[in-house]
Amino acid sequence: AQTVTQSQPEMSVQEAETVTLSCTYDTSENNYYLFWYKQPPSRQMILVIRQEAYKQQNATENRFSVNFQKAAKSFSLKISDSQLGDTAMYFCAFMMRTGGGADGLTFGKGTHLIIQP
Amino acid sequence: DTGVSQDPRHKITKRGQNVTFRCDPISEHNRLYWYRQTLGQGPEFLTYFQNEAQLEKSRLLSDRFSAERPKGSFSTLEIQRTEQGDSAMYLCASSLALAEGDEQFFGPGTRLTVL
Repeated sequence: AQTVTQSQPEMSVQEAETVTLSCTYDTSENNYYLFWYKQPPSRQMILVIRQEAYKQQNATENRFSVNFQKAAKSFSLKISDSQLGDTAMYFCAFMMRTGGGADGLTFGKGTHLIIQP
Repeated sequence: DTGVSQDPRHKITKRGQNVTFRCDPISEHNRLYWYRQTLGQGPEFLTYFQNEAQLEKSRLLSDRFSAERPKGSFSTLEIQRTEQGDSAMYLCASSLALAEGDEQFFGPGTRLTVL
């Protein structure tokens, strides 16, 4: 079974600062996907960024980038130039590559990110 | 397209009652997932459909839980003989799954409170 660990329950930074959220995972699989999802207060979860484990290049989406260290089983999210709208719960998630079978996500417990004005 | 919708948004019930939740996925999506999220935790996978076929069920899904997706469109999740431990947010997600690892789009969830 896969596990995902987010060791920072809460983080707070000033607007425009850069912040890094940590995520580690445990799996015996070699082919999988990793995700960061954002859950704003009272709003639905949305995908921030996605990484395929077979790709060495780190994924980037505008102000969001990841540092994927496969050997260390680490997948951190960096948010540059943070904005007030980035305030949310952030969940790291793992999906096994099953060849078309079940692919439910395994989530960490989340990090509550607060952007201060 | 208005995204994934769930109904009701909130449900309060007494212990021992049965409840049913509905999820309407994004119309062209063939995969549908149910998750449960308790306070302070990340969502936990419950079950998964590809079209109308239920392909995977988590061990979290006890025999009091049943899910259906008739005709591969909307899905229902029923909990029989509810217990206080069933209190949680129940999330539905859907994906088009043109390839593995496709983005799952989440609904707003149904918050269940069992008194």
